[in-house]
Amino acid sequence: AQKVTQAQTEISVVEKEDVTLDCVYETRDTTYYLFWYKQPPSGELVFLIRRNSFDEQNEISGRYSWNFQKSTSSFNFTITASQVVDSAVYFCALTPNAGNNRKLIWGLGTSLAVNP
Amino acid sequence: NAGVMQNPRHLVRRRGQEARLRCSPMKGHSHVYWYRQLPEEGLKFMVYLQKENIIDESGMPKERFSAEFPKEGPSILRIQQVVRGDSAAYFCASSSTDYNSPLHFGNGTRLTVT
Repeated sequence: AQKVTQAQTEISVVEKEDVTLDCVYETRDTTYYLFWYKQPPSGELVFLIRRNSFDEQNEISGRYSWNFQKSTSSFNFTITASQVVDSAVYFCALTPNAGNNRKLIWGLGTSLAVNP
Repeated sequence: NAGVMQNPRHLVRRRGQEARLRCSPMKGHSHVYWYRQLPEEGLKFMVYLQKENIIDESGMPKERFSAEFPKEGPSILRIQQVVRGDSAAYFCASSSTDYNSPLHFGNGTRLTVT
């Protein structure tokens, strides 16, 4: 079965704290892509990152970093020194079948509230 | 703004009316996808179109829903005879290819059926 699980439904932190959003996936495909998207209160979906299954290097982009571990089927997202503007719902998603966009499988999202 | 443009942002319809949702893909993108986001659920794929062609509509309800992407103009998602259960956020996304390129989403249309 293909599945994405974001076990944390809601997280609340105080500004400047670090926070990690968990994502665990299931797939039988050997080639796949993983994604993170952000949905701020205004509602749009913002693409953050795409990672293919052959690239296990961690990635850092400013205050954002991603930890991809095939051994545990996880693709966790960490925000360092969180800010109020980071408040949003964050979705993890998976495409099996070598990246076919139609087959994107989404987690239910983690709602992050960063309080001043 | 070169992003994916959706309109209207909010749409209110009474039961039995028709809803038309529009989506203009990013410049240079010929692949369009429609997703529905229901409360307490994740995004669900509905339909995938290229110019003038429906490629995959496996996620579309069998009745009342249709989509098109004409040679000229935006992609349209049409819902006939709306019911309360159609109330949701509908997102359009586009990409440059169907494989190996990320989806870029519009702001969504929030449909409310009263």
